[in-house]
Amino acid sequence: DTEVTQTPKHLVMGMTNKKSLKCEQHMGHRAMYWYKQKAKKPPELMFVYSYEKLSINESVPSRFSPECPNSSLLNLHLHALQPEDSALYLCASSPGTGGYNEQFFGPGTRLTVL
Amino acid sequence: AQSVTQPDIHITVSEGASLELRCNYSYGATPYLFWYVQSPGQGLQLLLKYFSGDTLVQGIKGFEAEFKRSQSSFNLRKPSVHWSDAAEYFCAVGPPRGGGNKLTFGTGTQLKVEL
Repeated sequence: DTEVTQTPKHLVMGMTNKKSLKCEQHMGHRAMYWYKQKAKKPPELMFVYSYEKLSINESVPSRFSPECPNSSLLNLHLHALQPEDSALYLCASSPGTGGYNEQFFGPGTRLTVL
Repeated sequence: AQSVTQPDIHITVSEGASLELRCNYSYGATPYLFWYVQSPGQGLQLLLKYFSGDTLVQGIKGFEAEFKRSQSSFNLRKPSVHWSDAAEYFCAVGPPRGGGNKLTFGTGTQLKVEL
């Protein structure tokens, strides 16, 4: 299995809702990432988990809460989002934590906040 | 701080023509270099990567890239473009060993292929 899966593919939520995005990989990778991507822009790093521990938080608002329950699974919990948070959310994984590691990306979750 | 520049926001080529997408980086040491492709509404797929050694690297889908240290460039090329190559292309750099694992992406080049 050489892919990263993300669910759901699409999500529409109101500003008072609580929802979660899920990401899974079974490649034995030890680093997992959340990115936010706006249209016509490159991905922006949000969080990095290395060996199931949060290693990078790019000053992301607390309405985004990451969780890594085990080495294969990464969640992003969403609460009280704003319309400007609407974007494509990409999950990625890499074998290790060095800059030489290729990151494998999932297909993304298209999030719309009303 | 490191940076990646993709000077061309949009490029249009005819099917069957050759392609070159430009990428320049600014880094204290030679970083790890990557090219990714993204089709509309999809995730990113790695085309190729450069770590060291031979400066001409081959990737998937017939793409290649050449690392030129003197020019701080890592340009992507394809001899003959297919209509299915229409997509967004991102150049990215990873920090040298010991520098962590945060990729820095260029702003991307949108490739349009005319039939």
